[in-house]
Amino acid sequence: EVQLLESGGGLVQPGGSLRLSCAASGFTFSNYAMNWVRQVPGRGLEWVSGIGGGGDDTYYADSVKGRFTISRDNSKNTLYLQMNSLRAEDTAVYYCAKDAVPRNSVWDWFDPWGRGTLVAVSS
Amino acid sequence: EIVLTQSPGTLSLSPGERATLSCRASQSISNSYLAWYQQKPGQAPRLLIYGASSRATGIPDRFSGSGSGTDFTLAISRLEPEDFAVYYCQHYGSSPFVYTFGQGTKVESK
Repeated sequence: EVQLLESGGGLVQPGGSLRLSCAASGFTFSNYAMNWVRQVPGRGLEWVSGIGGGGDDTYYADSVKGRFTISRDNSKNTLYLQMNSLRAEDTAVYYCAKDAVPRNSVWDWFDPWGRGTLVAVSS
Repeated sequence: EIVLTQSPGTLSLSPGERATLSCRASQSISNSYLAWYQQKPGQAPRLLIYGASSRATGIPDRFSGSGSGTDFTLAISRLEPEDFAVYYCQHYGSSPFVYTFGQGTKVESK
């Protein structure tokens, strides 16, 4: 069974940093692109960032470009999101999501998603 | 970047009724690169449909997707109590790369 488990969320002050992790199991992690998607409580979904299976190809939404860095460690089956210069508007539940089709680059729909980790940016 | 607009915002129906949800794209979506997800309170989104009309593994056949170009539809033939949730459409497979989601349609019990 494919499982994705996010961790690392919490309360951080504006301008601060946080690193999220997503531990993956149940599939050959390096064969799949991975993504981060966020959701402000009570609001819709926003794709944040994606990374190819090998880790060389990375993609970002304009809203986080230059502040967030996605990476992965295929030896540990773990996806990361380093978030710097955090703003109040980054407050959300952050989900990791697996591309559904084995491919080196992000391209496909998401299946499955993790349960999410809450990031709250407030003074 | 393609913008997806879902309608209606909220659909109030009774169990056993048919639900029809719309997702309209600001530009034509090639190869029907559109997916639908269901999200219940406190849970992660769950894949229902990909490629506009292909049901994901384990999804009941009361869920069906259709459409092409700029107009897509998710239909639930007979609502079960567990189907009351929020539904999102998603565009994928574009370059330069970005995924986009619709704003969601809430299906609530009347």
